[in-house]
Amino acid sequence: ELKVEQNPLFLSMQEGKNYTIYCNYSTTSDRLYWYRQDPGKSLESLFVLLSNGAVKQEGRLMASLDTKARLSTLHITAAVHDLSATYFCAVDKGGSEKLVFGKGTKLTVNP
Amino acid sequence: NAGVTQTPKFQVLKTGQSMTLQCAQDMNHEYMSWYRQDPGMGLRLIHYSVGAGITDQGEVPNGYNVSRSTTEDFPLRLLSAAPSQTSVYFCASSPAGTGYYGYTFGSGTRLTVV
Repeated sequence: ELKVEQNPLFLSMQEGKNYTIYCNYSTTSDRLYWYRQDPGKSLESLFVLLSNGAVKQEGRLMASLDTKARLSTLHITAAVHDLSATYFCAVDKGGSEKLVFGKGTKLTVNP
Repeated sequence: NAGVTQTPKFQVLKTGQSMTLQCAQDMNHEYMSWYRQDPGMGLRLIHYSVGAGITDQGEVPNGYNVSRSTTEDFPLRLLSAAPSQTSVYFCASSPAGTGYYGYTFGSGTRLTVV
């Protein structure tokens, strides 16, 4: 059974600081997704990572994938308040189009 | 281009009632899925479809039915609502070969069963 674990589940950080969210998964998969969700809103796609060593960056967020370690990271650089949200990683279960989500990381960026 | 449209946005049901959550997409996506989101649980897959006439169960299918008669629509039916089905429901769609595009999510339906 595919399990996806995120840590930390809660993250409070100051503006201007850097931090990393980790996403571990239990079985082989070549597709990993990161989503952002604002309170009461839908999910917004941030990154799609398709292969080992993939790295994608958008603004202050950078995501990477290590399929051998079954690990993805979402790195936040010089955080700003607008990044406050819940971030989910999700793994495609062996190309079956069935997404398995982590429990999410609630990020709060304080002034 | 409306994307993925879910109706209703909010619904309150009494235990034992049935209802249908609607999901429609106008992007000609082959794949459509239903997820439920509960506090601290992330999103869990209920049912999914890889094309018209083809559906399959996800992680938590009990108490729900789906059908897919057209590419555009993928309704989710609650047969006899229970308080445990109180949740936020999201519909998502993607083109074939999802890995390259990711999934597009609807705005959600917040369901309360009393």
